[in-house]
Amino acid sequence: EVQLLESGGGLVQPGGSLRLSCAASGFTFSSYAVSWVRQAPGKGLEWVSVISGSGGSIYYADSLRGRFTISRDNSKNTLYLQMNSLRAEDTAVYYCAKAGSTSCCNDYFDSWGQGTLVIVSS
Amino acid sequence: EIVMTQSPATLSVSPGERATLSCRASQSVSNNLAWYQQKPGQAPRLLIYGASTRATGIPARFSGSGSGTEFTLTISSLQSEDFAVYYCQQYYSWWTFGQGTKVEIK
Repeated sequence: EVQLLESGGGLVQPGGSLRLSCAASGFTFSSYAVSWVRQAPGKGLEWVSVISGSGGSIYYADSLRGRFTISRDNSKNTLYLQMNSLRAEDTAVYYCAKAGSTSCCNDYFDSWGQGTLVIVSS
Repeated sequence: EIVMTQSPATLSVSPGERATLSCRASQSVSNNLAWYQQKPGQAPRLLIYGASTRATGIPARFSGSGSGTEFTLTISSLQSEDFAVYYCQQYYSWWTFGQGTKVEIK
């Protein structure tokens, strides 16, 4: 069974940093692209970033303007999102989501974690 | 960016009735269209991909159709567990989601 477990969320002040993690199990982690998707309170879903299975291809949503960095450690089956210069509008539940096939990077998301809440507030 | 527009925003349906949800893309996405179901406090769950293929374990009462710019999700006979928010997503060019349709009990 595929499992994705996010952690690292919490309360951070504007301008601060946070690193999210997503621990994966139940599939060959290094074979699949994984994305971060966020959802502001009461709002819809917004794709944030994707990294290919090997880590060689990385893409970000234009709105992030270089503040976020995605990475992965295939030896630990873990995905990361380093978030810097955080703003109030980054407040959201952050989900990691697995690609539905081994191709990268235009695929649906067939498995999602339960999410981790990031609150940016003073 | 491809903009996805869902309608209606809210759909009030009685249990056992049919629900039809629409999704329109601002440009063609071929059949690179997925539907997700989200219940309060839960992560989205994949229902449909490739516009019409049900994901593993999804009941047959869920069906998807369409291609290009117009897509439909149909729930043939609503069960109590189907009341939720539904999102369409294009994965033709990066990923964008519709704003969601809330299916509520009438």
